[in-house]
Amino acid sequence: QLHLQESGPGLVKPSETLSLICNVSGGSIATDSFYWVWIRQPPGKGLEWIGSIYHTGRTYSNPSLKSRVTLSVDTSKNQLFLRLTSVTAADTALYYCARNTGGYVYGWFDPWGQGTLVTVSS
Amino acid sequence: QSVLTQPPSASGTPGQRVTISCSGTNSNSGTNPVNWYQQLPGKAPKILIHSNNQRPSGVPDRFSASKSGASASLVISGLQSEDEADYYCAAWDDSLNGRVFGGGTKLSVL
Repeated sequence: QLHLQESGPGLVKPSETLSLICNVSGGSIATDSFYWVWIRQPPGKGLEWIGSIYHTGRTYSNPSLKSRVTLSVDTSKNQLFLRLTSVTAADTALYYCARNTGGYVYGWFDPWGQGTLVTVSS
Repeated sequence: QSVLTQPPSASGTPGQRVTISCSGTNSNSGTNPVNWYQQLPGKAPKILIHSNNQRPSGVPDRFSASKSGASASLVISGLQSEDEADYYCAAWDDSLNGRVFGGGTKLSVL
């Protein structure tokens, strides 16, 4: 059974860079047909797609975050990485990783990790 | 302001039928499949319906969905207390070239 687990620093200072890891177990991220995604949810608010990545490194990012977001993968370690630069309080959120099944346009996200809370504060 | 529009709240009593709407445009739900997610309190979202009306294995058949044009609907029949959660619709947006979500609907079981 596929399991995803996000990890990273719970607190990041304004203007610094947020770096998160998603460890995937129970299946290979290098499997064809699956994209992998990052989604975030500010406290008490809705979901926001951050971006999607294929195991080859091909990425799609939210236009509103594109200039600050870097997505990458390490297939040897079965890990996904999210890097978000120049963070502000507006980047405070619960960050999730998930598998994108069914294609990056027509597909859906399943399963999801449990999420990791990142707070941006000095 | 979310790209897909959902009512912020909905409610019903046990056993009732509840409908949650999701309205978009031709660049998203009007053209691309809509997926629905359920987020129980304090938990990560979970896929409830994919590809407009497909229920993954393990999802009770009390949950169903449909789409007409750019409007989609999630229907919960025989409402149960454990259905109290936030529900989100999502689709790909061809203009934004990315995934968009509805703002979410908080379902209360009275």
